[in-house]
Amino acid sequence: AQSVTQLDSQVPVFEEAPVELRCNYSSSVSVYLFWYVQYPNQGLQLLLKYLSGSTLVKGINGFEAEFNKSQTSFHLRKPSVHISDTAEYFCAVSGRSSASKIIFGSGTRLSIRP
Amino acid sequence: DGGITQSPKYLFRKEGQNVTLSCEQNLNHDAMYWYRQDPGQGLRLIYYSQIVNDFQKGDIAEGYSVSREKKESFPLTVTSAQKNPTAFYLCASSIPGTPYGYTFGSGTRLTVV
Repeated sequence: AQSVTQLDSQVPVFEEAPVELRCNYSSSVSVYLFWYVQYPNQGLQLLLKYLSGSTLVKGINGFEAEFNKSQTSFHLRKPSVHISDTAEYFCAVSGRSSASKIIFGSGTRLSIRP
Repeated sequence: DGGITQSPKYLFRKEGQNVTLSCEQNLNHDAMYWYRQDPGQGLRLIYYSQIVNDFQKGDIAEGYSVSREKKESFPLTVTSAQKNPTAFYLCASSIPGTPYGYTFGSGTRLTVV
């Protein structure tokens, strides 16, 4: 079975500052890793995903994440945030079998201050 | 364009009533899911279905029911047995065993009045 922990429930940051949202996972098998974004009163949208290969994954809206197998982490980063990045961000993990479901973290609310 | 449609976007229910939330997808995905979202609690899985005419309970199935008569449709009924139904409900779909992740609908906000 897999599990995922998002270490911060809320992250306040000033506009144009860099941000890192932390995510750790646990699994006894190889996994896929995802980051989703949810804007207010909307569904979740896929930001990026790690399948295999290069440990640095680039996504939409200037976000990127780095897979670290030894630390079982998949932190999300953006070098300069904008007001429009205000949203909730979910880290997620799934096994690679057809029976696997995606397990979501509890979410990190990113608030951008002008 | 393919996607998932949830309707209605807002729904009000009187206590003691059953209500049905609609979820339709035209992505040709085999699997569909229902999640409940409450403030500060992330996503909690209610029911999921990986094939037509088959579905399984998730973590919080009590007070809910589903059907999967067609591949495209996975309606969720919130019954009067659900004691605290006010929440944001999200439907999702996927192709099991692939690395594409889930595609989500835009959600239905249910309020008990």
